[in-house]
Amino acid sequence: AQKITQTQPGMFVQEKEAVTLDCTYDTSDPSYGLFWYKQPSSGEMIFLIYQGSYDQQNATEGRYSLNFQKARKSANLVISASQLGDSAMYFCAMREGLYSGAGSYQLTFGKGTKLSVIP
Amino acid sequence: DSGVTQTPKHLITATGQRVTLRCSPRSGDLSVYWYQQSLDQGLQFLIQYYNGEERAKGNILERFSAQQFPDLHSELNLSSLELGDSALYFCASSPWGRGSDEKLFFGSGTQLSVL
Repeated sequence: AQKITQTQPGMFVQEKEAVTLDCTYDTSDPSYGLFWYKQPSSGEMIFLIYQGSYDQQNATEGRYSLNFQKARKSANLVISASQLGDSAMYFCAMREGLYSGAGSYQLTFGKGTKLSVIP
Repeated sequence: DSGVTQTPKHLITATGQRVTLRCSPRSGDLSVYWYQQSLDQGLQFLIQYYNGEERAKGNILERFSAQQFPDLHSELNLSSLELGDSALYFCASSPWGRGSDEKLFFGSGTQLSVL
């Protein structure tokens, strides 16, 4: 079973509008972290936001926020006031076993969502 | 700029050949990770090093090997190359290689084309 599922291969959003990118995850480990990365056409991977499994509040970083619904195992990325520069691939990723130390230290990535911002 | 440097940016080679990809982590980061990104497989974790020691291994082929040197730079060696090895290879670094919120900083990648 896939650990990270991003069901939207591609999405369009009007400039200045908000957009939600979906991410669901699968783990039996109580300790994990969820990350979102952005990959523009130039290719580099840019960290956007992090949410820990024990965090009580949803993470926010500027125009990015993470809608964390633990019971539903979802960690959707919300981008407010979209800009043309937000056009990129967006990847959701998970790291397990953070506190136990028994887990691997790798990030497992989803397949990504390609976001296109329309002027 | 993430502070992670990868060279070369592009590499074109033939099947059966061997190549070496190089990565310099961010200043102060002790852990280095290698990832492979291809259209069909997505981003796949290959291997992680911490302060010169191998820490975790993912879907790395036996034809591939890596090491981290005392100055903390890392090299990924790919040998007996096949067409299917064509991909974007990322190096990433983090301070400790573990931790609740430790994010990975990625380099800009090496695009490998095997002809």
